[in-house]
Amino acid sequence: DIQMTQSPASLSASLGETVTIECLASEDIYDILAWYQQKPGKSPQLLIYDASSLHTGVPSRFSGSGSGTQYSLKINSLQPEDFGSYYCQNDLSAPYTFGAGTKLELK
Amino acid sequence: QVQLKESGPGLVKPSETLSLTCTVSGFSLTSYHVSWVRQPPGKGLEWMGVLWGSGSTAYNSALKSRLSISRDTSKSQVFLKMSSLKTEDTATYYCATVYTTDYFDYWGQGVMVTVSS
Repeated sequence: DIQMTQSPASLSASLGETVTIECLASEDIYDILAWYQQKPGKSPQLLIYDASSLHTGVPSRFSGSGSGTQYSLKINSLQPEDFGSYYCQNDLSAPYTFGAGTKLELK
Repeated sequence: QVQLKESGPGLVKPSETLSLTCTVSGFSLTSYHVSWVRQPPGKGLEWMGVLWGSGSTAYNSALKSRLSISRDTSKSQVFLKMSSLKTEDTATYYCATVYTTDYFDYWGQGVMVTVSS
């Protein structure tokens, strides 16, 4: 099974800041990776797919990059609605493992 | 309009079997696959298994011995059955599908299940 190691586990940032979340796969996943955002009490929402493609309706301040085993999610100019939890996911092959998550909190 | 909605008991006793239903609309179960994902309180997401449009399944190896996913295409429903429940199976259970992308772009609202005597 492919393991997804996500860091950091938590992140405290101010409005307007830029933050980056990292995800390391245990083997090459050929950019078949997604990023999800989850607000408390809500279902996860797809942000980025194929490592760098922005899902419909997602603001352009979100961007994804990486290749092989290393991927990152960058959020520019943090807005109030960006605070919550973020998860990466391997979509190359089952089991479609998630990273452990990053909780982004307002400083 | 693509929609998914989970339903099932909110409370189940340890050692019993959990049965959940995901009722979908806006797409055909024979054309799109549906996965189950769960989330223990305050913890991360765990992919449980998938029912492909073809009718075949794949499961998380950690749950495979206890898990079964099936469907009734005439009712647009996908079923999850998990046996020998433990308190650590307490979680919110989601069903999700890939529709416009090859990723989970539509999710149900989730159903909270507590395993307790």
